[in-house]
Amino acid sequence: RKEVEQDPGPFNVPEGATVAFNCTYSNSASQSFFWYRQDCRKEPKLLMSVYSSGNEDGRFTAQLNRASQYISLLIRDSKLSDSATYLCVVNGRSNTGKLIFGQGTTLQVKP
Amino acid sequence: DTGVSQDPRHKITKRGQNVTFRCDPISEHNRLYWYRQTLGQGPEFLTYFQNEAQLEKSRLLSDRFSAERPKGSFSTLEIQRTEQGDSAMYLCASSHSPEGNTEAFFGQGTRLTVV
Repeated sequence: RKEVEQDPGPFNVPEGATVAFNCTYSNSASQSFFWYRQDCRKEPKLLMSVYSSGNEDGRFTAQLNRASQYISLLIRDSKLSDSATYLCVVNGRSNTGKLIFGQGTTLQVKP
Repeated sequence: DTGVSQDPRHKITKRGQNVTFRCDPISEHNRLYWYRQTLGQGPEFLTYFQNEAQLEKSRLLSDRFSAERPKGSFSTLEIQRTEQGDSAMYLCASSHSPEGNTEAFFGQGTRLTVV
């Protein structure tokens, strides 16, 4: 089993749609969680950190469920510019843990 | 530009040759990571440093791969006797993590093609 698993998609949605991505992780001791965005042939860039209480940044909402070892990202009112690959990232078991990336979920927003 | 810098951006080499990549992290970032990424996959962990100490190395990393961060600043990744399967994007990232994990910032990567 992979340490971080994501549905690779692609998710094809019309502009204005709401779309949700899920991610599961295997290490129950993981402490830090992130969503990164990666555009084609570019480096990954931080989209948002994920906190236990959940957090929102504009149209983006991230949730963490430690009991189920599950992370989600919700994008509301999708824009064409949201088309990208979204990477779920989890750290290792302690403060010295490596950052582990999921395969990524590809989103295509259509006009 | 005070971001993570990688050099070279592109490298084409013949199978069997050695290659070395350099990464300059963001100043004062104590952690430095190396990842490898192929098309359609997420970044795959190779190794990481906290200051000059190499704390973990992926089991996927064969003996042909070695990384150093001699003074806790820049890092090099060397691949000896390159194989076609080594063709990938090699990404470097850095973070400032005195306690816990903060987000990592990536360089633009070095794209390696082994012919």
